[in-house]
Amino acid sequence: GAVVSQHPSWVICKSGTSVKIECRSLDFQATTMFWYRQFPKQSLMLMATSNEGSKATYEQGVEKDKFLINHASLTLSTLTVTSAHPEDSSFYICSAPDYRRYEQYFGPGTRLTVT
Amino acid sequence: DAKTTQPPSMDCAEGRAANLPCNHSTISGNEYVYWYRQIHSQGPQYIIHGLKNNETNEMASLIITEDRKSSTLILPHATLRDTAVYYCIVRPPGGFGNEKLTFGTGTRLTIIP
Repeated sequence: GAVVSQHPSWVICKSGTSVKIECRSLDFQATTMFWYRQFPKQSLMLMATSNEGSKATYEQGVEKDKFLINHASLTLSTLTVTSAHPEDSSFYICSAPDYRRYEQYFGPGTRLTVT
Repeated sequence: DAKTTQPPSMDCAEGRAANLPCNHSTISGNEYVYWYRQIHSQGPQYIIHGLKNNETNEMASLIITEDRKSSTLILPHATLRDTAVYYCIVRPPGGFGNEKLTFGTGTRLTIIP
């Protein structure tokens, strides 16, 4: 089946630094990808929609200048957490719809810890 | 998207059928019922989806009531690896512009040895 990968799977960074998370669709092209955040014992919350060739669309309450999204190609979207703080520590998950199969696939997630 | 209601947690004995209910009383005519699950510290995994007919695949069965206001996901022979949070999601048919998924709180299913 279709596969979506994320890199890195986990990362620890110091407060004030920036971290980039990659999301790749491995066997299909994705003009749209989604980024979610999940805090412990909570559900997934959609942060933004990444669109190839255009600006990302952010959900209400998500700071676009803090969470920079770049949909560089039809198989790659990146999420950069800028000036990270401990409260940004979370599990970040991406997903991509495969229009051939009319289905959406999720990446394995990236656990970010900001110290 | 229609809102869904699920019990927060359930237990099931290993080897027995796990029946997970979901209420979606405000579902509209063209919205599908999707089920995903999330095993601890992993991304969600697609299980099954349906519109109004019952569906079955290698993972599970989906029973949708005739009025479509509720559904039940059935894992026929639960194993310890089925321990996860199960999400019931209602969404429009797949296709460009209809991909956004809204996750509720889900049901935490624990399989008991």
